[in-house]
Amino acid sequence: GAVVSQHPSWVICKSGTSVKIECRSLDFQATTMFWYRQFPKQSLMLMATSNEGSKATYEQGVEKDKFLINHASLTLSTLTVTSAHPEDSSFYICSARAWTSGAYEQYFGPGTRLTVT
Amino acid sequence: AQTVTQSQPEMSVQEAETVTLSCTYDTSESDYYLFWYKQPPSRQMILVIRQEAYKQQNATENRFSVNFQKAAKSFSLKISDSQLGDAAMYFCAYGYRSSGDKLTFGTGTRLAVRP
Repeated sequence: GAVVSQHPSWVICKSGTSVKIECRSLDFQATTMFWYRQFPKQSLMLMATSNEGSKATYEQGVEKDKFLINHASLTLSTLTVTSAHPEDSSFYICSARAWTSGAYEQYFGPGTRLTVT
Repeated sequence: AQTVTQSQPEMSVQEAETVTLSCTYDTSESDYYLFWYKQPPSRQMILVIRQEAYKQQNATENRFSVNFQKAAKSFSLKISDSQLGDAAMYFCAYGYRSSGDKLTFGTGTRLAVRP
């Protein structure tokens, strides 16, 4: 159980276009999902917390108008990178929070590699 | 601000031997928890082990165990009987309830396993 999927797994887009990444919890409901960004050979950096039915909470330094997050249902959160530029190329990972064995845990998706040309 | 430090960018271990990965953290919170995650080349994050700060007993999961020193704010991971499949990036992470369970990750340690 506790499987999280991401779609697409890899996307290439042209500079100036927008791209949407989906994060789904397949066998559980998640009121809270998280979006991370990982540059090559670096750690995961939290971008934002996505809460079902409310606005996302962005970490300091993350442009909320550039990285639009929508959490419209208990199993789906989307990240839209608007007007993408080459510097937005990165690996984006989502996680979904679930109550497991008396505590909250995060279950991670397999990630989405974004390349902006 | 909460920080997580992994001072070993790379480690190497002989197959079947034991290796310990270090992690220290800084926090003023009392209700927090710590994790070790494994990230293999597929980049899928896999939870290795979890430790609640209020628990004095060190967590253990099969070949993986931690040495949690709360006063020293240290949380090391010991891998026993290392296997080739253990080769990966290992991230130490910290979270606390009043933040909504957000996680702060360390910079990672790349573990190589020599056959």
